[in-house]
Amino acid sequence: GAGVSQSPSNKVTEKGKDVELRCDPISGHTALYWYRQRLGQGLEFLIYFQGNSAPDKSGLPSDRFSAERTGESVSTLTIQRTQQEDSAVYLCASSPLYGGLYGEQYFGPGTRLTVT
Amino acid sequence: TQLLEQSPQFLSIQEGENLTVYCNSSSVFSSLQWYRQEPGEGPVLLVTVVTGGEVKKLKRLTFQFGDARKDSSLHITAAQPGDTGLYLCAGLLITQGGSEKLVFGKGTKLTVNP
Repeated sequence: GAGVSQSPSNKVTEKGKDVELRCDPISGHTALYWYRQRLGQGLEFLIYFQGNSAPDKSGLPSDRFSAERTGESVSTLTIQRTQQEDSAVYLCASSPLYGGLYGEQYFGPGTRLTVT
Repeated sequence: TQLLEQSPQFLSIQEGENLTVYCNSSSVFSSLQWYRQEPGEGPVLLVTVVTGGEVKKLKRLTFQFGDARKDSSLHITAAQPGDTGLYLCAGLLITQGGSEKLVFGKGTKLTVNP
C-alpha cells in the first residue's frame, strides 16, 4: 500500500473488555513497531517485530498486552481486560530494513482507544 | 525516566518570528530524528542527523546535532501558520541485545498565529 494503515481509527470499549488493533505496514517493510501515545505525552515504545518475530517486547506494559505478526505483514495488538489507563492513541510504524536505515520509521495515523 | 528532554513544551508565536526547540539527553545516540505530528495523524519524519556537529537545512528549518551526539536543536526561521504542529525528537539507541530502539521526547507543541 501507499502508507501504513491502522484500524479501527477510533475504538470505544468498556472496562474489562478485550480489544484488537490492526496495523498494515508498507508493503515490503520487514520491521514493524507499536507505540502508545497518551494525551500530552511523547511516544512510548511497546514492541518491535523483525519479520514475524519480536526481538524486543520490553515495552509491553503488562501481560494484558500482546502482539503478533503474520506473513511479515499485518500485525495485531491485543489488549485484554482493558483498563481506563489504557486509553491512548496506539501508533504503528514500519521501516524497510532491520531498525530502518538510521532508524527512520513511517507511521500510521493511529487508533484512538477510549476505555469507559 | 525521560531519556530525551524537549523544551519548551509549548510555544505560541506570531507569524514571521523565529524559534528554537531543544532536545537534550545524557545518553549518546547513534542517530537522531525530528518528526512533526499534526492532530489525528501519525508523526512524519523531517530529518535524520547522524554525525556529531552535523547541521541540516530543510527550507526554513535548520537542524543541528550536538558534537557529543547527546543533544539537538531545531530552528525555524520566519515561522508560518503551516508550521503549527507537535514537533518530536527521537534518538536511536542500540540496546545491549543489539536491537534498535527509538526513544521519543514528549514533544513541543508549536502554534504560529497569523
